[in-house]
Amino acid sequence: ILNVEQSPQSLHVQEGDSTNFTCSFPSSNFYALHWYRWETAKSPEALFVMTLNGDEKKKGRISATLNTKEGYSYLYIKGSQPEDSATYLCAFNADRGSTLGRLYFGRGTQLTVWP
Amino acid sequence: DAGVIQSPRHEVTEMGQEVTLRCKPISGHDYLFWYRQTMMRGLELLIYFNNNVPIDDSGMPEDRFSAKMPNASFSTLKIQPSEPRDSAVYFCASSRRVQGLSNTEAFFGQGTRLTVV
Repeated sequence: ILNVEQSPQSLHVQEGDSTNFTCSFPSSNFYALHWYRWETAKSPEALFVMTLNGDEKKKGRISATLNTKEGYSYLYIKGSQPEDSATYLCAFNADRGSTLGRLYFGRGTQLTVWP
Repeated sequence: DAGVIQSPRHEVTEMGQEVTLRCKPISGHDYLFWYRQTMMRGLELLIYFNNNVPIDDSGMPEDRFSAKMPNASFSTLKIQPSEPRDSAVYFCASSRRVQGLSNTEAFFGQGTRLTVV
């Protein structure tokens, strides 16, 4: 079982604050890193899929970076809004024959943005 | 495409009864995953299929759990007999592998909330 760690576990910020959180994953056998946004009572929705070291992806106020050599990815939210409140999951896709295609999920960072 | 479709959305059953959860993946997706969400373990992979073949079922908690994928458009997760500790939200997800590249993102169904009393 591959270990994917996310920190912090939870985060409370004020509307307008910028925030970031971390996903750590094994640096060997890397294939892809996914970020998902999971709102309460809904299902996870993909934000980004990143495959190359140094990748940076952006969607509106949310962006992510990837360092495959040291095994971490950061997710940034600029000017947080209450509607950004959700759990943000990262998932690691390993390049191993027997587990190709499998996603190893972290426990997520639960973000609450107060108005 | 309507996305990944799961049924039922909610299931309440008595301990000892058989429960069957159903999933229809997105057409053209060759990977299908069954996850369970609990407070203790977060999102936990139970089993996944590639081209209808089970690849890894090491996450299936016990012999009471079984999953099948008889064709590319349908999968079931069965619990027999069910127990109160099986109460959780069960998600089905599907993805597609692009030749020479990683999988696309996983698309999740709305989940089935199972309560075993």
